[in-house]
Amino acid sequence: QQQVKQSPQSLIVQKGGISIINCAYENTAFDYFPWYQQFPGKGPALLIAIRPDVSEKKEGRFTISFNKSAKQFSLHIMDSQPGDSATYFCAASMSFGNEKLTFGTGTRLTIIP
Amino acid sequence: DTGVSQDPRHKITKRGQNVTFRCDPISEHNRLYWYRQTLGQGPEFLTYFQNEAQLEKSRLLSDRFSAERPKGSFSTLEIQRTEQGDSAMYLCASSLTGDSSYEQYFGPGTRLTVT
Repeated sequence: QQQVKQSPQSLIVQKGGISIINCAYENTAFDYFPWYQQFPGKGPALLIAIRPDVSEKKEGRFTISFNKSAKQFSLHIMDSQPGDSATYFCAASMSFGNEKLTFGTGTRLTIIP
Repeated sequence: DTGVSQDPRHKITKRGQNVTFRCDPISEHNRLYWYRQTLGQGPEFLTYFQNEAQLEKSRLLSDRFSAERPKGSFSTLEIQRTEQGDSAMYLCASSLTGDSSYEQYFGPGTRLTVT
């Protein structure tokens, strides 16, 4: 059972544009939603995270939008740059217990000049 | 460098051999996680430790897999009688219990290829 669904699988965006990646979750017990960035041959790096008590969180060019009623959250990358080309994973966990992360299947983002 | 480190970075082994991977977490972190990532997929949870205690194992972790974290510091993940299906990236992550951010920091991973 895939508890976190991510789309699109791949995304091509022009430099300077906005990249948008979407995720949906099923388990209403999830209360922590991070996004990770992964370059080839590297481990995932934490980018930004949000909790359900806020609907939006912004850090630099990266923004998470969260819709609790729809059980959806999304990552927006403003002014996308070639250096942003990577695979992005959304994830979810519960803050009680083991806090293990359940990941989406990833989005391969390519920023073209 | 104070991040999570893993060793080796790459391992090629023949089917049926045993392999062992090591993870050194961020020094003050008391939780340590192992995940497995196959090509084109997100990481999947395998097991986790709080200090030296192994508190949960995924059903993905067959009897051929064993993990330890002696003295609550570094951890090892051993795979016995490797199979081609074990080929994957094995990722280690650490976090600090009681840190309200719940942030998990990942190491660079060990890529295992079973021939």
